[in-house]
Amino acid sequence: NAGVTQTPKFRVLKTGQSMTLLCAQDMNHEYMYWYRQDPGMGLRLIHYSVGEGTTAKGEVPDGYNVSRLKKQNFLLGLESAAPSQTSVYFCASSPRQGGNQPQHFGDGTRLSIL
Amino acid sequence: GQNIDQPTEMTATEGAIVQINCTYQTSGFNGLFWYQQHAGEAPTFLSYNVLDGLEEKGRFSSFLSRSKGYSYLLLKELQMKDSASYLCAPGSYSGGYNKLIFGAGTRLAVHP
Repeated sequence: NAGVTQTPKFRVLKTGQSMTLLCAQDMNHEYMYWYRQDPGMGLRLIHYSVGEGTTAKGEVPDGYNVSRLKKQNFLLGLESAAPSQTSVYFCASSPRQGGNQPQHFGDGTRLSIL
Repeated sequence: GQNIDQPTEMTATEGAIVQINCTYQTSGFNGLFWYQQHAGEAPTFLSYNVLDGLEEKGRFSSFLSRSKGYSYLLLKELQMKDSASYLCAPGSYSGGYNKLIFGAGTRLAVHP
């Protein structure tokens, strides 16, 4: 019963490097989300997807790209990492129907940019 | 705009009751969620309110007043394991999709 799985769990990058964070869910959920969480701030939505092949910008999309080629996977890319992107990144998923469906979160990826 | 306000920190004693308040201003309000997040872990769903009133679920209850833009989470018979952050998250429906707006969270410390 995996739920939402994020890889990697930890990563240290140098400024300017690129990387991709992977999120996989096995609950057949339509919606998937990427958030970042910084000290003293709430979870902020980076990008989201309402179905396979679709993506949309959230609150803080600059510097990130996403892809949803398969329903179960949602990838978050950093093309040229910056120290301001040091954060904990959470992926979440939820079913399509109804506003009362909670989002299910992965365990997070802790990313440091030096 | 969208704004969520909840206390930054609270402390309470094991076995006691604590109430965590949340006030919010969101457009397209579509219900309010409470999540629990232990340090270094993922947020986990606690409760959902869409109608005014109290929803009870074991030791945890959540209240909503839509007209006042106000919610609270009530934790009874506190246990040490309840030490965590509690996130208030109103839903905002726009463009055909329901998104959550998260508050910064209230860090609750339960002591013996």
